[in-house]
Amino acid sequence: AQSVTQPDIHITVSEGASLELRCNYSYGATPYLFWYVQSPGQGLQLLLKYFSGDTLVQGIKGFEAEFKRSQSSFNLRKPSVHWSDAAEYFCAVGTNDYKLSFGAGTTVTVRA
Amino acid sequence: GAVVSQHPSRVICKSGTSVKIECRSLDFQATTMFWYRQFPKQSLMLMATSNEGSKATYEQGVEKDKFLINHASLTLSTLTVTSAHPEDSSFYICSALDRISGNTIYFGEGSWLTVV
Repeated sequence: AQSVTQPDIHITVSEGASLELRCNYSYGATPYLFWYVQSPGQGLQLLLKYFSGDTLVQGIKGFEAEFKRSQSSFNLRKPSVHWSDAAEYFCAVGTNDYKLSFGAGTTVTVRA
Repeated sequence: GAVVSQHPSRVICKSGTSVKIECRSLDFQATTMFWYRQFPKQSLMLMATSNEGSKATYEQGVEKDKFLINHASLTLSTLTVTSAHPEDSSFYICSALDRISGNTIYFGEGSWLTVV
């Protein structure tokens, strides 16, 4: 069975600083990998996804993620965060039938 | 872009009653939808896969007789929580698979269920 680990429960970052959220996955086959963002009381918005091809994936809102098979990682990055990036971020791994297993999430707080 | 809509966004029901949550794909056909639940400050857990025209498949530990799923059309799946109890209070969120647009999964806005 697949699983996802997000080691950081909470990250605080200054506005304008860079952000990196860690994600490690466990899956026997080639993974489908996703990053979603959830604002308080809201649903999930897809930031980016990786199915195959270029291991550096560009997403919305200036986010990018890099798939590293050797490290079983799919870390999310943003060069310069904005106050509006404060939210909960979920990494997920999908199977061939598109069932998603989510990590526990990382809460991002942005300080002025 | 594609949108998945859930209704109601918030519902309060009395213990022992049933409540239905709808999940609609607004501008694409979704033969497959998924239902998740999320307890406060926890991650999302897959409950079941909803397949248009066939029975839903449930994840281990999810009571199929309690959480009834009906995927009656290519754009609508419903989740009915039967004989709801306070422990069923949770955030229920659906997703829909858009096979045409690169197999993209879109999530609804979620539905907060409170059972009193």
